Amino acid sequence: AQTVTQSQPEMSVQEAETVTLSCTYDTSESNYYLFWYKQPPSRQMILVIRQEAYKQQNATENRFSVNFQKAAKSFSLKISDSQLGDTAMYFCAFMKRSGNTGKLIFGQGTTLQVKP
Amino acid sequence: DAGVIQSPRHEVTEMGQEVTLRCKPISGHNSLFWYRQTMMRGLELLIYFNNNVPIDDSGMPEDRFSAKMPNASFSTLKIQPSEPRDSAVYFCASSPRGTSGSHEQYFGPGTRLTVT
Repeated sequence: AQTVTQSQPEMSVQEAETVTLSCTYDTSESNYYLFWYKQPPSRQMILVIRQEAYKQQNATENRFSVNFQKAAKSFSLKISDSQLGDTAMYFCAFMKRSGNTGKLIFGQGTTLQVKP
Repeated sequence: DAGVIQSPRHEVTEMGQEVTLRCKPISGHNSLFWYRQTMMRGLELLIYFNNNVPIDDSGMPEDRFSAKMPNASFSTLKIQPSEPRDSAVYFCASSPRGTSGSHEQYFGPGTRLTVT
Protein backbone atom coordinates (compact mmCIF):
# COMPACT_ATOMS: atom_id res chain seq x y z
CA ALA A 1 0.00 0.00 0.00
CA GLN A 2 1.11 3.50 -0.73
CA THR A 3 1.51 6.14 1.96
CA VAL A 4 2.22 9.86 1.81
CA THR A 5 3.79 11.73 4.72
CA GLN A 6 3.98 15.47 5.29
CA SER A 7 6.07 16.00 8.39
CA GLN A 8 5.45 19.72 8.81
CA PRO A 9 1.96 20.36 10.22
CA GLU A 10 2.43 24.15 10.15
CA MET A 11 4.82 26.61 8.54
CA SER A 12 5.04 30.35 8.17
CA VAL A 13 6.92 32.64 5.81
CA GLN A 14 7.26 36.36 5.30
CA GLU A 15 5.68 37.84 2.22
CA ALA A 16 8.07 37.85 -0.78
CA GLU A 17 10.31 35.16 0.72
CA THR A 18 10.74 31.54 -0.33
CA VAL A 19 9.41 28.52 1.51
CA THR A 20 9.73 24.78 0.94
CA LEU A 21 7.13 22.22 1.99
CA SER A 22 8.26 18.63 2.44
CA CYS A 23 6.61 15.41 1.31
CA THR A 24 7.80 11.83 1.31
CA TYR A 25 5.99 8.79 0.03
CA ASP A 26 6.30 5.06 0.09
CA THR A 27 5.47 2.83 -2.87
CA SER A 28 6.71 -0.20 -4.75
CA GLU A 29 5.33 1.21 -8.00
CA SER A 30 7.73 2.55 -10.60
CA ASN A 31 5.23 4.55 -12.62
CA TYR A 32 3.08 7.10 -10.87
CA TYR A 33 2.06 10.73 -10.54
CA LEU A 34 2.63 13.16 -7.71
CA PHE A 35 0.59 16.27 -7.07
CA TRP A 36 0.42 19.26 -4.80
CA TYR A 37 -3.01 20.65 -4.02
CA LYS A 38 -3.80 23.89 -2.23
CA GLN A 39 -6.82 24.31 0.05
CA PRO A 40 -7.42 27.94 1.07
CA PRO A 41 -9.92 28.88 3.79
CA SER A 42 -12.68 28.67 1.18
CA ARG A 43 -11.91 24.88 1.33
CA GLN A 44 -11.78 24.60 -2.48
CA MET A 45 -9.12 22.07 -3.52
CA ILE A 46 -6.91 23.64 -6.18
CA LEU A 47 -4.32 21.75 -8.19
CA VAL A 48 -0.98 23.52 -7.91
CA ILE A 49 1.47 21.29 -9.77
CA ARG A 50 1.89 17.79 -11.16
CA GLN A 51 4.96 15.57 -11.61
CA GLU A 52 5.17 12.37 -13.62
CA ALA A 53 7.57 9.88 -12.08
CA TYR A 54 9.19 8.90 -15.36
CA LYS A 55 10.23 12.50 -16.03
CA GLN A 56 13.50 13.51 -14.43
CA GLN A 57 12.92 17.21 -14.98
CA ASN A 58 11.29 18.94 -12.05
CA ALA A 59 7.89 20.49 -12.78
CA THR A 60 7.49 24.26 -12.56
CA GLU A 61 4.38 26.45 -12.59
CA ASN A 62 5.19 30.14 -12.27
CA ARG A 63 6.26 30.71 -8.63
CA PHE A 64 5.76 27.04 -7.74
CA SER A 65 8.37 24.37 -8.38
CA VAL A 66 9.11 20.91 -7.08
CA ASN A 67 12.21 18.99 -6.12
CA PHE A 68 11.47 15.42 -7.12
CA GLN A 69 13.95 12.85 -5.82
CA LYS A 70 12.66 9.48 -7.01
CA ALA A 71 15.26 7.33 -5.30
CA ALA A 72 14.67 9.06 -2.01
CA LYS A 73 10.89 9.10 -2.58
CA SER A 74 10.79 12.79 -1.84
CA PHE A 75 8.64 15.45 -3.46
CA SER A 76 9.00 18.92 -1.98
CA LEU A 77 7.21 22.08 -3.09
CA LYS A 78 9.02 25.40 -3.30
CA ILE A 79 7.03 28.61 -3.33
CA SER A 80 9.04 31.63 -4.43
CA ASP A 81 8.09 35.26 -3.80
CA SER A 82 5.38 34.20 -1.35
CA GLN A 83 2.14 36.15 -1.51
CA LEU A 84 -0.60 36.61 1.06
CA GLY A 85 -2.92 34.62 -1.21
CA ASP A 86 -0.66 31.60 -0.81
CA THR A 87 -1.93 31.20 2.75
CA ALA A 88 -3.63 27.80 2.72
CA MET A 89 -3.29 24.16 3.60
CA TYR A 90 -1.14 22.27 1.10
CA PHE A 91 -1.60 18.57 0.38
CA CYS A 92 0.84 16.26 -1.31
CA ALA A 93 -0.83 13.39 -3.20
CA PHE A 94 0.18 10.18 -4.96
CA MET A 95 -1.53 8.31 -7.80
CA LYS A 96 -0.56 5.02 -9.41
CA ARG A 97 -0.32 5.26 -13.18
CA SER A 98 -0.90 1.60 -13.95
CA GLY A 99 -4.11 -0.30 -13.66
CA ASN A 100 -7.62 1.00 -13.62
CA THR A 101 -7.38 3.16 -10.55
CA GLY A 102 -7.44 6.92 -10.26
CA LYS A 103 -7.21 6.93 -6.50
CA LEU A 104 -5.39 9.90 -5.01
CA ILE A 105 -3.65 9.17 -1.72
CA PHE A 106 -3.16 12.34 0.27
CA GLY A 107 -0.75 13.35 2.97
CA GLN A 108 -1.95 14.94 6.19
CA GLY A 109 -1.40 18.46 4.91
CA THR A 110 0.79 21.43 5.85
CA THR A 111 -0.81 24.69 6.90
CA LEU A 112 1.14 27.61 5.44
CA GLN A 113 0.75 31.11 6.81
CA VAL A 114 2.19 33.97 4.75
CA LYS A 115 2.83 36.99 6.95
CA PRO A 116 2.81 40.59 5.72
CA ASP B 1 -16.11 26.43 -17.96
CA ALA B 2 -18.28 25.92 -14.88
CA GLY B 3 -16.04 23.48 -13.05
CA VAL B 4 -17.36 20.68 -10.86
CA ILE B 5 -20.68 21.62 -9.29
CA GLN B 6 -21.82 20.25 -5.96
CA SER B 7 -25.04 20.75 -4.06
CA PRO B 8 -25.94 21.54 -1.44
CA ARG B 9 -22.94 23.51 -0.13
CA HIS B 10 -24.07 23.01 3.43
CA GLU B 11 -26.37 20.40 4.92
CA VAL B 12 -27.49 20.10 8.51
CA THR B 13 -29.61 17.11 9.38
CA GLU B 14 -30.64 15.02 12.33
CA MET B 15 -29.35 11.58 13.07
CA GLY B 16 -31.32 8.92 11.27
CA GLN B 17 -32.32 11.09 8.34
CA GLU B 18 -31.43 10.36 4.75
CA VAL B 19 -28.90 12.70 3.12
CA THR B 20 -28.28 13.01 -0.61
CA LEU B 21 -25.29 14.88 -2.00
CA ARG B 22 -25.16 15.78 -5.68
CA CYS B 23 -22.39 16.33 -8.17
CA LYS B 24 -22.14 17.49 -11.75
CA PRO B 25 -18.69 16.78 -13.22
CA ILE B 26 -16.91 18.88 -15.79
CA SER B 27 -18.33 18.21 -19.25
CA GLY B 28 -16.21 15.70 -21.16
CA HIS B 29 -14.58 14.20 -18.07
CA ASN B 30 -15.05 10.44 -17.90
CA SER B 31 -13.99 9.77 -14.32
CA LEU B 32 -15.70 10.89 -11.12
CA PHE B 33 -14.54 10.59 -7.54
CA TRP B 34 -16.16 11.09 -4.14
CA TYR B 35 -13.83 12.03 -1.26
CA ARG B 36 -14.48 12.72 2.41
CA GLN B 37 -12.40 15.11 4.52
CA THR B 38 -12.33 14.95 8.31
CA MET B 39 -9.89 16.22 10.90
CA MET B 40 -9.19 12.71 12.13
CA ARG B 41 -8.76 10.88 8.82
CA GLY B 42 -7.85 13.64 6.40
CA LEU B 43 -8.88 13.23 2.77
CA GLU B 44 -9.96 9.75 1.78
CA LEU B 45 -11.47 8.31 -1.39
CA LEU B 46 -14.92 6.83 -0.96
CA ILE B 47 -15.74 5.66 -4.49
CA TYR B 48 -14.56 6.15 -8.04
CA PHE B 49 -16.51 5.87 -11.32
CA ASN B 50 -15.08 5.48 -14.80
CA ASN B 51 -17.50 5.98 -17.71
CA ASN B 52 -20.38 5.86 -15.20
CA VAL B 53 -19.33 2.45 -13.86
CA PRO B 54 -18.18 2.10 -10.22
CA ILE B 55 -14.57 0.89 -10.30
CA ASP B 56 -13.39 1.12 -6.71
CA ASP B 57 -15.79 1.42 -3.78
CA SER B 58 -13.44 0.01 -1.16
CA GLY B 59 -13.47 3.31 0.68
CA MET B 60 -17.21 3.37 1.27
CA PRO B 61 -17.48 3.13 5.06
CA GLU B 62 -20.45 0.81 5.35
CA ASP B 63 -23.78 -0.15 3.85
CA ARG B 64 -25.32 3.12 4.93
CA PHE B 65 -23.40 4.80 2.12
CA SER B 66 -24.33 4.36 -1.54
CA ALA B 67 -23.36 6.17 -4.72
CA LYS B 68 -24.79 6.23 -8.20
CA MET B 69 -23.88 7.73 -11.54
CA PRO B 70 -26.90 7.34 -13.83
CA ASN B 71 -25.29 9.35 -16.63
CA ALA B 72 -22.10 11.17 -17.52
CA SER B 73 -23.25 14.47 -16.06
CA PHE B 74 -24.66 13.53 -12.66
CA SER B 75 -23.76 11.55 -9.56
CA THR B 76 -25.22 11.19 -6.09
CA LEU B 77 -23.85 10.07 -2.75
CA LYS B 78 -26.50 8.95 -0.32
CA ILE B 79 -26.25 8.27 3.40
CA GLN B 80 -29.15 6.43 4.97
CA PRO B 81 -29.49 6.56 7.92
CA SER B 82 -27.06 9.35 8.78
CA GLU B 83 -25.04 9.37 12.01
CA PRO B 84 -23.10 12.14 13.78
CA ARG B 85 -19.80 10.50 12.79
CA ASP B 86 -20.68 11.12 9.14
CA SER B 87 -20.16 14.86 9.72
CA ALA B 88 -17.45 15.91 7.28
CA VAL B 89 -16.79 17.78 4.08
CA TYR B 90 -17.61 15.68 1.04
CA PHE B 91 -15.84 16.49 -2.20
CA CYS B 92 -16.65 15.41 -5.71
CA ALA B 93 -13.86 15.50 -8.31
CA SER B 94 -13.71 14.72 -12.00
CA SER B 95 -10.89 13.83 -14.32
CA PRO B 96 -10.36 13.50 -18.07
CA ARG B 97 -8.52 10.21 -17.60
CA GLY B 98 -7.73 8.60 -20.91
CA THR B 99 -5.11 8.01 -23.55
CA SER B 100 -4.11 11.64 -23.43
CA GLY B 101 -2.39 10.83 -20.17
CA SER B 102 -4.01 13.66 -18.28
CA HIS B 103 -4.79 12.47 -14.79
CA GLU B 104 -5.45 15.67 -12.92
CA GLN B 105 -8.51 15.65 -10.73
CA TYR B 106 -10.55 18.83 -10.49
CA PHE B 107 -12.47 19.24 -7.27
CA GLY B 108 -15.83 20.79 -6.58
CA PRO B 109 -16.35 23.25 -3.71
CA GLY B 110 -17.44 20.49 -1.33
CA THR B 111 -20.53 19.89 0.79
CA ARG B 112 -20.18 20.47 4.50
CA LEU B 113 -22.41 17.92 6.22
CA THR B 114 -23.35 18.23 9.86
CA VAL B 115 -25.36 15.46 11.48
CA THR B 116 -26.74 16.34 14.92
